[in-house]
Amino acid sequence: EDKVVQSPLSLVVHEGDTVTLNCSYEVTNFRSLLWYKQEKKAPTFLFMLTSSGIEKKSGRLSSILDKKELFSILNITATQTGDSAIYLCAANLILTGGGNKLTFGTGTQLKVEL
Amino acid sequence: DAGVIQSPRHEVTEMGQEVTLRCKPISGHDYLFWYRQTMMRGLELLIYFNNNVPIDDSGMPEDRFSAKMPNASFSTLKIQPSEPRDSAVYFCASSLIRSGSGNTIYFGEGSWLTVV
Repeated sequence: EDKVVQSPLSLVVHEGDTVTLNCSYEVTNFRSLLWYKQEKKAPTFLFMLTSSGIEKKSGRLSSILDKKELFSILNITATQTGDSAIYLCAANLILTGGGNKLTFGTGTQLKVEL
Repeated sequence: DAGVIQSPRHEVTEMGQEVTLRCKPISGHDYLFWYRQTMMRGLELLIYFNNNVPIDDSGMPEDRFSAKMPNASFSTLKIQPSEPRDSAVYFCASSLIRSGSGNTIYFGEGSWLTVV
């Protein structure tokens, strides 16, 4: 059975702190690893990682994938209250016929306080 | 493009009632997914369709749940009879096969279901 595990489940930090969110996976037909941010609505896309060791950056957020150890991390530096959200990690799996489906972890609930 | 459209956005119903959630995928997309999100279990894939055909429904929790896709532009997820533990956000998503690894799955805004 495909499995994606995130840790920690929840986290409370102060503005300006740096956080690291973890995601490990055990899946078949792996294509890529995706990170999403979810506030009140649908998950919004952050990063897609397909290759090991190549860091993706977007502002204060960065992420990297290790395909040998089957994990990824999402870093947020200089956190702000607007970063408060659920961060979801998903394994993007190849389907027969060429499509793909996402298997999600349970998410990390991040709260950034003043 | 209007994106994936779901309705209703919010539904409150009594236990035992039938609930029907609707989804219009992005035009031209050939995969459609139904996900359920709860605090306890996170986002779970319930079922997905390829070219309107159900491919994998192993995530459907039990016989009370059923999903159909009568055509390329419409899908329903039905719960009959509904129970309080079905309370969740139900997301519909769609995608299109592209060459390489760049397939993107687009989510609707979700249907927030409360069964009392």
